[in-house]
Parts: sequence; C-alpha cells; structure tokens
Amino acid sequence: AQTVTQSQPEMSVQEAETVTLSCTYDTSESDYYLFWYKQPPSRQMILVIRQEAYKQQNATENRFSVNFQKAAKSFSLKISDSQLGDAAMYFCAYRSGAGSYQLTFGKGTKLSVIP
Amino acid sequence: GAGVSQSPRYKVAKRGQDVALRCDPISGHVSLFWYQQALGQGPEFLTYFQNEAQLDKSGLPSDRFFAERPEGSVSTLKIQRTQQEDSAVYLCASSSPEGFTEAFFGQGTRLTVV
Repeated sequence: AQTVTQSQPEMSVQEAETVTLSCTYDTSESDYYLFWYKQPPSRQMILVIRQEAYKQQNATENRFSVNFQKAAKSFSLKISDSQLGDAAMYFCAYRSGAGSYQLTFGKGTKLSVIP
Repeated sequence: GAGVSQSPRYKVAKRGQDVALRCDPISGHVSLFWYQQALGQGPEFLTYFQNEAQLDKSGLPSDRFFAERPEGSVSTLKIQRTQQEDSAVYLCASSSPEGFTEAFFGQGTRLTVV
C-alpha cells in the first residue's frame, strides 16, 4: 500500500517570503501522480499543483513550484512571495496510474502567514 | 452545475440514528469519490463510482456505511446506527471522463454524532 508522510504539522512564513513544505511517499509503482491540495477553513480542497511521475521537469504554477526527487521519493512544495491568502492546510497526495484513481493523502501541514 | 455540491453542510445526529449525505457532482463527470476526514487528519478514501457502478468500496469502515449512485449523477452516502467515531467531515469529489487529471471537491458535510 502507498503511504504519504508530511513531517511538518505546522509551518509559518512572513508575508512576501518563501516557504517549503515537505512530503515523502512510499510506493513500488512506477506510474503515479503526485498532488498538493490546499484546504482553507471553508473545507473545500483546492488543487495547487500536479506532477506526473514520468516527467523529470518539476511542475510550476505561478508562485507555486515543486521539487520532485523520484529516487528519494520526495515531493516538496515551494511557495514564493507568500500572501495572506496562502494561509491554509496543505495536503500532499498520491494517486496510482491505474486502478480506481483514489487519492492517498498525508496528514497535512498547517501554514500560517505572518503579516 | 458549477461545482461539486454537498448537503447538508452540517449534520448533528444522535448516536444510533441513520443519516444520509448527498453529493451532486459536476455535470458530466463520470467518476465520483467519497472521502472521510477526521479532525486534524488528511482525507481517507471510502468508495469510488464510475457512472452508476460502484467499482471500489474497500475504504468503507463497516457494513453500516453504504453508498449509491443509481442514475450515475447524484450520490448518497448513508450511515446506519451512527457511532461517535463516525464524527468527521465527509468529502465528495468528481472528475471528468477524459481521464483523471484533477478531482474537484465539494465543501463537505461535517457530521457530529452526540
């Protein structure tokens, strides 16, 4: 079974600074996808960024980028120029390339942004 | 619809009561998922539908949990004889038929069993 580990229960960052959230995963599969989701107090999970395992290039979405280290099974999220609206729970998630496409989530990291 | 809609947003049930949680996915989305999110935890998979077929129910924690999607659109998650440990947020997600590139989530139903 796949597992996803987020070792930082809480993180904080000054507004306009950069923060990195860590995620490691365990799998024996070669075909899979990795995601970072944001969950604000409204509870709705919002996709931040997605990485296909077969792609060597790290994904980037505006201020959000990932450092995908396939051999180390590491998938960290970097948020640049942090904004107050970035404050939320962040979840790392894994999805197999086959099967029912269910997501396996980590326990989350609570990010606070200090004005 | 514009997004995934779940109702009710909050539900308080007395222990032993049956509850039904509704999910209205994005129109045309073939795949539908239910997740359970306990306080302070990440969501955990419960069950998966492709159209009206329930293809995976391996995450349902007991036979008190039952899900259906009879016409391939709206889905209902039913919990019979609720227990305190069932208290959680129940999230529904749907994805498009062109292959799974993104799951769109609803705002969830927060169930509190007292």
